[in-house]
Amino acid sequence: GAVVSQHPSRVICKSGTSVKIECRSLDFQATTMFWYRQFPKKSLMLMATSNEGSKATYEQGVEKDKFLINHASLTLSTLTVTSAHPEDSSFYICSAPQGPNEKLFFGSGTQLSVL
Amino acid sequence: KNQVEQSPQSLIILEGKNCTLQCNYTVSPFSNLRWYKQDTGRGPVSLTIMTFSENTKSNGRYTATLDADTKQSSLHITASQLSDSASYICVVSGNAGKSTFGDGTTLTVKP
Repeated sequence: GAVVSQHPSRVICKSGTSVKIECRSLDFQATTMFWYRQFPKKSLMLMATSNEGSKATYEQGVEKDKFLINHASLTLSTLTVTSAHPEDSSFYICSAPQGPNEKLFFGSGTQLSVL
Repeated sequence: KNQVEQSPQSLIILEGKNCTLQCNYTVSPFSNLRWYKQDTGRGPVSLTIMTFSENTKSNGRYTATLDADTKQSSLHITASQLSDSASYICVVSGNAGKSTFGDGTTLTVKP
C-alpha cells in the first residue's frame, strides 16, 4: 500500500531555533498534503493544507509566519517551525490522500520538544 | 458545524474479550467514514473506510458498521489482543474532501 515517510521522528531543540520536518510520499504523487498537530490524549488538529506549486492553506488560528509550509514537489512537503518556543512542543503529523476515496496515509509523526 | 463524537473516551478490557467503539457524526454532505488505529507516538493507520452505501466492513478482527440514516458508526473488536491497546479515531469526510476528526477512544487491553 501507499507509504508516507516523515522525518525526523523526534527532535529536541533550543528555544529560538527553527526546525524543519519533512513529509514524503514514497510510492505515489501527492498534490495535496495535510499537516496536523496533536496534543497528548487528544485527536489530530488540522493546521494547514499543503498544495504542490502554490501557497498552503492555513486553518484559522494557525500562524503562517510561524509554521512555514513548502510543497516544492509532488512527493515532498516540509513544515518549518520558526523561532520555536516551548509552547510549540507537540506531536506533528502529516498525511497525504490517495485513491478515489482520497484515503489518508499518515506519516509516523514527529515529536518536537523545545527547551 | 461538522462534528464527530466518539464514545467512550477510554475503555479497559481483558485480553480475549470483545468491545465496541461508537462514533456519531453531523458531517454533511457525507462522503466517507474511516476508522484509524493510532499507537502512542505513531501516526494513525487505516483500519476501514466506508462510503454511503456500505453498512459493514471487516478487516481481520475489526468490523466497522455504518448507519448513514442515523449518522452512527461502530467499530467492533473481536477477541482482543494486547497489541490492540491504542487510540481509535473516527474520521468523517464531506464531499469537499475536508475531514473531521473525532477525539478518539483510548483502548487498553490488559492480560
